[in-house]
Formats: sequence, structure tokens, C-alpha cells
Amino acid sequence: EAQVTQNPRYLITVTGKKLTVTCSQNMNHEYMSWYRQDPGLGLRQIYYSMNVEVTDKGDVPEGYKVSRKEKRNFPLILESPSPNQTSLYFCASSLGLAGVNEQFFGPGTRLTVL
Amino acid sequence: AQKVTQAQTEISVVEKEDVTLDCVYETRDTTYYLFWYKQPPSGELVFLIRRNSFDEQNEISGRYSWNFQKSTSSFNFTITASQVVDSAVYFCALSDKRSNDYKLSFGAGTTVTVRA
Repeated sequence: EAQVTQNPRYLITVTGKKLTVTCSQNMNHEYMSWYRQDPGLGLRQIYYSMNVEVTDKGDVPEGYKVSRKEKRNFPLILESPSPNQTSLYFCASSLGLAGVNEQFFGPGTRLTVL
Repeated sequence: AQKVTQAQTEISVVEKEDVTLDCVYETRDTTYYLFWYKQPPSGELVFLIRRNSFDEQNEISGRYSWNFQKSTSSFNFTITASQVVDSAVYFCALSDKRSNDYKLSFGAGTTVTVRA
């Protein structure tokens, strides 16, 4: 089954404790993205990757890191989480550019930073 | 800068009613793409449709239809004979050639509640 998986689905942590949210896709997609969803703001792109070892900032990259060492995986890293990073996070993948192609989204990760 | 406005925050209808979701966009570019995504209560976003700026043809897919009007910069979405399963948050999104790598800009979303 074609899918994007994210783990964990729910996470409660404390300020400053490093965390990683994993994302994996099995569709051999070139392009992957991370978004955060906040009430009244829709989805905003954090980082994206057009291929292995190619990543770039989205609209709200501050406080986040990503890596793309393998085509299928695109982890999101919060080195020192803060309460303003409490949000719902989505990983997505697509054959090509997200603004041109259909994106496939993961189930979401609800993060709470205390 | 590109921008997407979904003026309706929430819409509540009774089953079998039609519901139209408005989407107004802003872009200076002549080449752009418009999307609708659905987010059901389960949370995972699902692609519904993509339309490019050179194709103003309206689209119908079952009970769903989309009306693209460049003259009013709108890409409205209508659900005909709504069902409870249509209850979801619906997002309109835009990307244009001027934005780096055709990045998507999402609207704030419209929450649709269909009551039995």
C-alpha cells in the first residue's frame, strides 16, 4: 500500500529536550515536505527536499532541522523545542514539486511542548 | 506575494443540502496552480483536485464540482447533496512561478459539518 508514515503520532515533551519525528514514504517520490498546521493559519511549509541530500527552507524553518540521507526518509528534528512549536505536523511526499503535483500526506504528529 | 483567502471559517448544513466553499487567490503571475485538499476527522489530508491557470474548464467528479474563474480570481468548490462523510476541513492552495520552487500557499481552511 502506497503510504507516508510518521512517528510518533503523539508526543508531549518539555522545553529544550531534543526530539525527532520520523517520516518515511514507499512511493519512490523525489520531493518531500514538512508542514505545521495551526488554527486559522492553514498549513505552512517548514522544510522541503527535492532529492537526497538536497533540502531547503520553507516559510517557517526557524527552530527546525531536517536531513535527507535516503530517498524514502525525511526526519524532522527539533534541537531545542519551545512551547511555540506546539502544533500538528505533517510530512508529505510527491513525484515532483509540491506546488505542481499531488501530495501524499502522513497521518500527522501532534506535538505538545510544555 | 501569493495569497489564498477562504473567507468561510465554518459551514454547517443538513444532509442532502448543497454547500459551496469559496476560495479567492492573489497572484501576479500568469502561470499558477490551484489545489483543493480535504482533511477528514481522522486528520490525514487527501488531494482532491489540481487546476493550472491555463485550464479554466470546470470540473465535476461525482458530487464534487469546481468552478474556476480567472476574472474573479476564484476557485470555488461545491458539494452537491452533501453527506455526513463530507464533514471535514477543506483547504484551498495556490502555487505560482514567482515563488521559489512553486511552493504551496494554503488558505486557512473551511470546516464543513454535515448533520444527519
